[in-house]
Amino acid sequence: NAGVTQTPKFQVLKTGQSMTLQCAQDMNHEYMSWYRQDPGMGLRLIHYSVGAGITDQGEVPNGYNVSRSTTEDFPLRLLSAAPSQTSVYFCASSYGGRETQYFGPGTRLLVL
Amino acid sequence: GDSVTQMEGPVTLSEEAFLTINCTYTATGYPSLFWYVQYPGEGLQLLLKATKADDKGSNKGFEATYRKETTSFHLEKGSVQVSDSAVYFCALRASGGSNYKLTFGKGTLLTVNP
Repeated sequence: NAGVTQTPKFQVLKTGQSMTLQCAQDMNHEYMSWYRQDPGMGLRLIHYSVGAGITDQGEVPNGYNVSRSTTEDFPLRLLSAAPSQTSVYFCASSYGGRETQYFGPGTRLLVL
Repeated sequence: GDSVTQMEGPVTLSEEAFLTINCTYTATGYPSLFWYVQYPGEGLQLLLKATKADDKGSNKGFEATYRKETTSFHLEKGSVQVSDSAVYFCALRASGGSNYKLTFGKGTLLTVNP
């Protein structure tokens, strides 16, 4: 049981480049979400999904896209990276939205 | 909107000292309250939680009591160890709404010296 896994661990992008941050869980959790962590600001919700085929926006969705084609995977896409997206990104999952959320180890992203 | 305020860090203590990290919140209704811990280079782990007023969450010697009258959820430990060095986040989840988001405080860095 690997829990919540994220790849890559670290990535450097140039402004305008695109990339996908991967998130997978093997706990059959219905609810998955993406947060970004910035210094002095705690974590903020980007997008979330309550099940395969269902996604919705969190509080800071601009510049990010998500999809949920399977229960296990919830990738986060940056279509055109900007320096303001430099951050640490965490994926989380839970059985339901009101159950304990389990976090992945994070992806550190630097946009130059 | 909902918000969480926790004491500014960093906090530096000697081993076996008493720890308190203050956390207060603003939310309507009866949110669920959480403390998460982030060890260096790792993701967040749930430390403890409380889902209704006067509940006490506890784990690994840490405790926090949900105080509705003071809108607080302060984290305490009687005797800290070097291995407790980490960043601690207080968080809430609103009782209503459909996004189930966690609203986090800014985090408090704790360093415990031998």
